[in-house]
Amino acid sequence: DQQVKQNSPSLSVQEGRISILNCDYTNSMFDYFLWYKKYPAEGPTFLISISSIKDKNEDGRFTVFLNKSAKHLSLHIVPSQPGDSAVYFCAAAQGAQKLVFGQGTRLTINP
Amino acid sequence: DTEVTQTPKHLVMGMTNKKSLKCEQHMGHRAMYWYKQKAKKPPELMFVYSYEKLSINESVPSRFSPECPNSSLLNLHLHALQPEDSALYLCASSQEAAGQQFFGPGTRLTVL
Repeated sequence: DQQVKQNSPSLSVQEGRISILNCDYTNSMFDYFLWYKKYPAEGPTFLISISSIKDKNEDGRFTVFLNKSAKHLSLHIVPSQPGDSAVYFCAAAQGAQKLVFGQGTRLTINP
Repeated sequence: DTEVTQTPKHLVMGMTNKKSLKCEQHMGHRAMYWYKQKAKKPPELMFVYSYEKLSINESVPSRFSPECPNSSLLNLHLHALQPEDSALYLCASSQEAAGQQFFGPGTRLTVL
């Protein structure tokens, strides 16, 4: 039973355009959501998070949107840069230590 | 220091060997974690230590034995592993029992 799903295994975006990565979850008890970025042979790097009491959080080029009624969150990267090419994982937690990760989306930014 | 370090980076071991993975953080975090990540899969939680006590064990086989000697160190002792245990083992830490987790670079383990 996959509680956190990233249905797009890969996404290709032109440099300078907006990248939108999507994530769906099934457990309505999740109250904290995070996005991580992972390069090959490295551990995941934290990007941005959002609490369930908010519907938007912004940090520079990265914005996370949360739609609780749809159990959906998305990460917007604008403008996209070549260095953004990586695998992006969304993760969810229920007020405690246990993060549940999605399958990941491989983002490729084309020059 | 905002880093989680893990040693070794790579480890190859036989099924009868005993080895240990090490993880260290100096951010004053009181929660530390072990994850296992297979190729093209997301990280899966194995163990959580909170204030140096084991708080979560995700039904991990006993051939994996975690240890938290102090608040900065986390070990994973390995014994009689199987080839299917080959994976990237990630350590993470966080400020308290919840919130953003900082990950180390991982140990790539191969069991022959």
